[in-house]
Amino acid sequence: SQQGEEDPQALSIQEGENATMNCSYKTSINNLQWYRQNSGRGLVHLILIRSNEREKHSGRLRVTLDTSKKSSSLLITASRAADTASYFCATDDDGNNRLAFGKGNQVVVIP
Amino acid sequence: GEEVAQTPKHLVRGEGQKAKLYCAPIKGHSYVFWYQQVLKNEFKFLISFQNENVFDETGMPKERFSAKCLPNSPCSLEIQATKLEDSAVYFCASSQSVTGVGYTFGSGTRLTVV
Repeated sequence: SQQGEEDPQALSIQEGENATMNCSYKTSINNLQWYRQNSGRGLVHLILIRSNEREKHSGRLRVTLDTSKKSSSLLITASRAADTASYFCATDDDGNNRLAFGKGNQVVVIP
Repeated sequence: GEEVAQTPKHLVRGEGQKAKLYCAPIKGHSYVFWYQQVLKNEFKFLISFQNENVFDETGMPKERFSAKCLPNSPCSLEIQATKLEDSAVYFCASSQSVTGVGYTFGSGTRLTVV
């Protein structure tokens, strides 16, 4: 089954800076979701963007979706130490009855 | 409740022993999903349920893995005759729909097979 692929794999930034990570996928989708995983914890749902949407905001998060390029980006503005986590994108992989997750981006925010 | 409760948090089994993991989904969520995460990498889908019925089991290793979601009981994932490669964190998630809304994940059960 198709999976999202995040890029880059690891990112280290200073507190206050913005963090951007990308995700690509291979098949048509109905929606794409981003999740955060703190060390030793489960995934926390951050935001869902539907295939007919191009951009969505939630607090300090901004997600874009380009269905022609089959890619999405997650921007975290004014990062905080608490944003240190791994971030995963997931797609509904049109036709499959589950979410397929990518490999994850590790983000470290240095205080 | 508003959280997905997974037990136990940690489980250690000798190779060949049985392992049983439990998941209490959020009340009102019709769907339950099991994923396996090895070495903090990608999440491998195992199986999903719609209420007590198997919805999609295409990710399950058929020989040793089984799962159930019975009414008024936690869902369970059982591994017979565990192997070293079964060592992973097993996550359960629940949702009101298959893919149209976000999933709520539990904190996982870390299974170590020695």
